[in-house]
Amino acid sequence: AQKITQTQPGMFVQEKEAVTLDCTYDTSDPSYGLFWYKQPSSGEMIFLIYQGSYDQQNATEGRYSLNFQKARKSANLVISASQLGDSAMYFCAMRGWSGTYKYIFGTGTRLKVLA
Amino acid sequence: NAGVTQTPKFRVLKTGQSMTLLCAQDMNHEYMYWYRQDPGMGLRLIHYSVGEGTTAKGEVPDGYNVSRLKKQNFLLGLESAAPSQTSVYFCASSTEREGRGTGELFFGEGSRLTVL
Repeated sequence: AQKITQTQPGMFVQEKEAVTLDCTYDTSDPSYGLFWYKQPSSGEMIFLIYQGSYDQQNATEGRYSLNFQKARKSANLVISASQLGDSAMYFCAMRGWSGTYKYIFGTGTRLKVLA
Repeated sequence: NAGVTQTPKFRVLKTGQSMTLLCAQDMNHEYMYWYRQDPGMGLRLIHYSVGEGTTAKGEVPDGYNVSRLKKQNFLLGLESAAPSQTSVYFCASSTEREGRGTGELFFGEGSRLTVL
């Protein structure tokens, strides 16, 4: 069975500081992808970053990086130099590339950036 | 470029009524998904499809049915709506498999359904 766990319902960070949002996962798929999405208060879902299970290096996209620790089954999102516009809900997600192809999400972390 | 379009955007139903949510994508994606979003529970997968004519159950399929008669459309039906189905529903699509992009989801704008 697949499962995504986000243990931080809410977090605060000071503007210009870095913040780490935690995500752990469980899957029986030998090949899978891990994703982070942002949902601002307007409601749309925005794709941020992707990490494949066989990727050797951690993914980076601008101020976003994914700290992938396969043995620990964790895929934490790091946002550097936080901006007020980063205030939003953040979801970790996983998709199997074999087997069921389910695409599941965690419960999310609400991030508030303080000026 | 329309992307993923959901209709209707808002709907109010009475308990026991039926309705269908339509999701249409113009990106030729193989995979399509229906989620519901409730406060504190993230996005939960209702049903999904890996191609035209195929459907599969997700995490919370009870009370919903789906059909994928055409590749570009994925319909979500509620046969007898219940107040517990009050939620925001998101449709999403993605590419077929690893190697053809990241497999990121492209989302519709969401449909807010209230069941009285």
